[in-house]
Amino acid sequence: DTGVSQDPRHKITKRGQNVTFRCDPISEHNRLYWYRQTLGQGPEFLTYFQNEAQLEKSRLLSDRFSAERPKGSFSTLEIQRTEQGDSAMYLCASSFRLTEQYFGPGTRLTVT
Amino acid sequence: GEDVEQSLFLSVREGDSSVINCTYTDSSSTYLYWYKQEPGAGLQLLTYIFSNMDMKQDQRLTVLLNKKDKHLSLRIADTQTGDSAIYFCAESPDNQAGTALIFGKGTTLSVSS
Repeated sequence: DTGVSQDPRHKITKRGQNVTFRCDPISEHNRLYWYRQTLGQGPEFLTYFQNEAQLEKSRLLSDRFSAERPKGSFSTLEIQRTEQGDSAMYLCASSFRLTEQYFGPGTRLTVT
Repeated sequence: GEDVEQSLFLSVREGDSSVINCTYTDSSSTYLYWYKQEPGAGLQLLTYIFSNMDMKQDQRLTVLLNKKDKHLSLRIADTQTGDSAIYFCAESPDNQAGTALIFGKGTTLSVSS
């Protein structure tokens, strides 16, 4: 049994570059969530999908952020024109039952 | 608005009980959660409680919910050094399970031998 996986685990990029992260949920989990966590804070919700439909987006998800889940399986989160304030851990979670969200190990983004 | 608050640090000795406290503001929250995060890792779901329950026990973990005071606690019995981590309280707001979770800032538990 594999849990939620995320790739890459670490990403260092220069300000202004675009980055893309991938999340593979637990098999058969129809809901997939993206959160962002900065140092000393709890995770903050960004967006979530049910199958391929994006059902909710946080106001934190500016126009530079886009997420997709084209076939209802893996998801990608792209950040365009990265800024230093985008440096954070990006966490993905998935769920089958509404009550339980299971998190992946995260992608740590550093923008220099 | 929605807010979840926790004390930032707790230090205990190995073998003692740990109690981590949390307050939340959304009285319509359906489920309340405890997650554990070890350094450099993602979040591990420890347990959760439905809002119509007062208590839930799962091995060394006991969750108490006081809905009137909007207070949630996690008790860890016989705390071990491996329990050292950050513990997050979270709520599912607006009476909707399966949507965004609202997290507190986390309580760092330090266990000394």
